[in-house]
Amino acid sequence: GQQLNQSPQSMFIQEGEDVSMNCTSSSIFNTWLWYKQEPGEGPVLLIALYKAGELTSNGRLTAQFGITRKDSFLNISASIPSDVGIYFCAGGGSNYKLTFGKGTLLTVNP
Amino acid sequence: EAGVVQSPRYKIIEKKQPVAFWCNPISGHNTLYWYLQNLGQGPELLIRYENEEAVDDSQLPKDRFSAERLKGVDSTLKIQPAELGDSAVYLCASSLGTSGRYDTQYFGPGTRLTVL
Repeated sequence: GQQLNQSPQSMFIQEGEDVSMNCTSSSIFNTWLWYKQEPGEGPVLLIALYKAGELTSNGRLTAQFGITRKDSFLNISASIPSDVGIYFCAGGGSNYKLTFGKGTLLTVNP
Repeated sequence: EAGVVQSPRYKIIEKKQPVAFWCNPISGHNTLYWYLQNLGQGPELLIRYENEEAVDDSQLPKDRFSAERLKGVDSTLKIQPAELGDSAVYLCASSLGTSGRYDTQYFGPGTRLTVL
């Protein structure tokens, strides 16, 4: 089946720093999504990307759909303590099924 | 507006026992999903319903797992008998079901299952 490689696995940063994480795949996806999951909760959608090359922002978050359709990145600027959580990328194929990465655990030190 | 509701939030059972999870999607959402999330992993789809029809159950281990959505609203996922390896978080999600494109999936808080 399709596999997503998400990196880094974890990040420890200071409040105010910028963060970057990415996902790569051996297969082409039609859409890329970025979710955040906090302890004891389900994932919450942050950004959805539907076109190759698309760059989309949501507040301090910016994500891009790679030109090759096999990768995507998420940037968080000026991190704050409430950014703590696990960030998942998910790729959507032609059958509308989502394949999730293993997640990036973000810790922000105040 | 209420989100996706799941119960119970936590369940501890002995191996070989049956267990059931319940999900009530967001009102008006036609599509319902059950996902399995193992520790340190992303969610993996088990089954997807369009109204009361299971349109994708290819990843559901049918020897011990079953699901139903009889009236096209709430849904139940059952495991019988449970095995040690079934310990995980079971997530339910729902979406409007807009055909022809991806529509946003809203996740519930999940049920954390521990099999002893």
